[in-house]
Amino acid sequence: QQQVKQSPQSLIVQKGGISIINCAYENTAFDYFPWYQQFPGKGPALLIAIRPDVSEKKEGRFTISFNKSAKQFSLHIMDSQPGDSATYFCAASYTGNQFYFGTGTSLTVIP
Amino acid sequence: GAVVSQHPSWVICKSGTSVKIECRSLDFQATTMFWYRQFPKQSLMLMATSNEGSKATYEQGVEKDKFLINHASLTLSTLTVTSAHPEDSSFYICSARFGPSPDTQYFGPGTRLTVL
Repeated sequence: QQQVKQSPQSLIVQKGGISIINCAYENTAFDYFPWYQQFPGKGPALLIAIRPDVSEKKEGRFTISFNKSAKQFSLHIMDSQPGDSATYFCAASYTGNQFYFGTGTSLTVIP
Repeated sequence: GAVVSQHPSWVICKSGTSVKIECRSLDFQATTMFWYRQFPKQSLMLMATSNEGSKATYEQGVEKDKFLINHASLTLSTLTVTSAHPEDSSFYICSARFGPSPDTQYFGPGTRLTVL
């Protein structure tokens, strides 16, 4: 059973545009929601993370929006750049041990 | 940020042989290390969690005798794939955590295993 559902599977955005990736979860015990960026042949790197006590967190061009009642959270990449082209994974965790990852979104930013 | 390394970065082996993958935390002591497996264009699936000096905890469906995990020190964990078969070919990623908070967890660069 997929604990975290992610969409879309792939996304193509023009340079300067906004990239939006969505995730939904079922387990209300989750208390940590990170987003990871992964380049081919590399391990995932933490981009930004949020706790359920806030509805939004912004770090530079990256923003997480969190809707606790809907059990959904999303990543917004403003002013998308070709260097942002990568695979993005959302994840959810409780107690900080096991991370449940989404299925990933392949983002391509066209110059 | 904290650095986690893996060695080797890629390995090719013959079916039936064993392969050892190392995961090291370079600038911190890891209380807990995790091993993940990732198939092409798929998500990361947790295989096992290990704490230094104790036996690893394996996720359901992961064969303990096939995927041997040793967490010998606070900076080193090893994953040994025993009697490897082509279906074991995958990208293996470790992560290491140095504190109780989940944001103290860092991922290694991964090891590509190809079994012929």
